Amino acid sequence: EPEVTQTPSHQVTQMGQEVILRCVPISNHLYFYWYRQILGQKVEFLVSFYNNEISEKSEIFDDQFSVERPDGSNFTLKIRSTKLEDSAMYFCASSELAGSYNEQFFGPGTRLTVL
Amino acid sequence: QQQVKQSPQSLIVQKGGISIINCAYENTAFDYFPWYQQFPGKGPALLIAIRPDVSEKKEGRFTISFNKSAKQFSLHIMDSQPGDSATYFCAASKGDTDKLIFGTGTRLQVFP
Repeated sequence: EPEVTQTPSHQVTQMGQEVILRCVPISNHLYFYWYRQILGQKVEFLVSFYNNEISEKSEIFDDQFSVERPDGSNFTLKIRSTKLEDSAMYFCASSELAGSYNEQFFGPGTRLTVL
Repeated sequence: QQQVKQSPQSLIVQKGGISIINCAYENTAFDYFPWYQQFPGKGPALLIAIRPDVSEKKEGRFTISFNKSAKQFSLHIMDSQPGDSATYFCAASKGDTDKLIFGTGTRLQVFP
């Protein structure tokens, strides 16, 4: 069964460093998302992406964050200068179609630890 | 207005019992209410979803009950099994956006 994959599973970085989280969405999906989950808290939407453009972003997704689809298979989230509060589990998701009724398939997540 | 409130935070149920998780929302523009199941080390996976034009949806042992006037919806797991032990998230979204607004999650433990 097709699935969303994410690498690495765990990333440890120093505050102020740049990190890139990688995702491979399901191959025929066109819509891509990043969510994050701070330990013990709810899953929060960060950004949606379609046709090489950001469709929507949350207040969390400030200038320190960027997303890119560098090739036909990968979807990346970059945090330019990490802060302690960026420590969280980051989930990538993808869907075949747009709109709230279409299932978003989530990857297993990347745990980011900022020291 | 964008929040989805979920309760309880944790739930312990005996095998064969009924697990009930409740969610409430404020934004009447929400028109899609999915429930996600998450096992340790995995991402959330869609379990069952409902639109507000129906009051109940059943898939196997899982049922969503939806009360539009009260702005509440709940997940019922009948004949709960140890394999159902996971974290369950309710969520909501509205048709003009793909953004899912998640509840805070309920950790369900089903004991044999």
